[in-house]
Amino acid sequence: GQQVMQIPQYQHVQEGEDFTTYCNSSTTLSNIQWYKQRPGGHPVFLIQLVKSGEVKKQKRLTFQFGEAKKNSSLHITATQTTDVGTYFCAGPDFNKFYFGSGTKLNVKP
Amino acid sequence: EAEVAQSPRYKITEKSQAVAFWCDPISGHATLYWYRQILGQGPELLVQFQDESVVDDSQLPKDRFSAERLKGVDSTLKIQPAELGDSAMYLCASSLQGEYYEQYFGPGTRLTVT
Repeated sequence: GQQVMQIPQYQHVQEGEDFTTYCNSSTTLSNIQWYKQRPGGHPVFLIQLVKSGEVKKQKRLTFQFGEAKKNSSLHITATQTTDVGTYFCAGPDFNKFYFGSGTKLNVKP
Repeated sequence: EAEVAQSPRYKITEKSQAVAFWCDPISGHATLYWYRQILGQGPELLVQFQDESVVDDSQLPKDRFSAERLKGVDSTLKIQPAELGDSAMYLCASSLQGEYYEQYFGPGTRLTVT
């Protein structure tokens, strides 16, 4: 079956530093979604990418979908303490959704 | 703003007992998902409904887990009998119609099996 892997597992940064998490799928994805889960909370949708090579920005967050639609990345510029949480990528394979293992981001003020 | 409702929020049960979780998706959402999330891991899909029909339940341990969405609205996930390894967060999510729509998650049910 499909596997969705994310690296790194953890990232500790100083406030103001940049952060990137990478997502790799064993199969081609029709689309990829990114979610953020705050400590003690539930996943919250951030964005969806559909097209090969697509790049989308949300303020300080930049999302990219690879040309082969098998990998994706999330980059945060100048992290803030409000960025703390776990970031998950997720993609479907024959109607079944697979979530990555997540990257836990900690931001030191 | 519409939200996915889940109850109970917390459940402590002894092993071999039966437990049930309830989920009420956002009105009009045809697709409903049940996930299990172990601490430090990503959500794992247990079952997916499209209206009242099961789309995928390949990861549902069918010897002890069951799920239904009889009228295509709210849903129940049951475990009988519960085992120690079932301790986890059980998340329900809904989306408008399938994989191209964002999923809205409920607050989850934290299950502890003793």
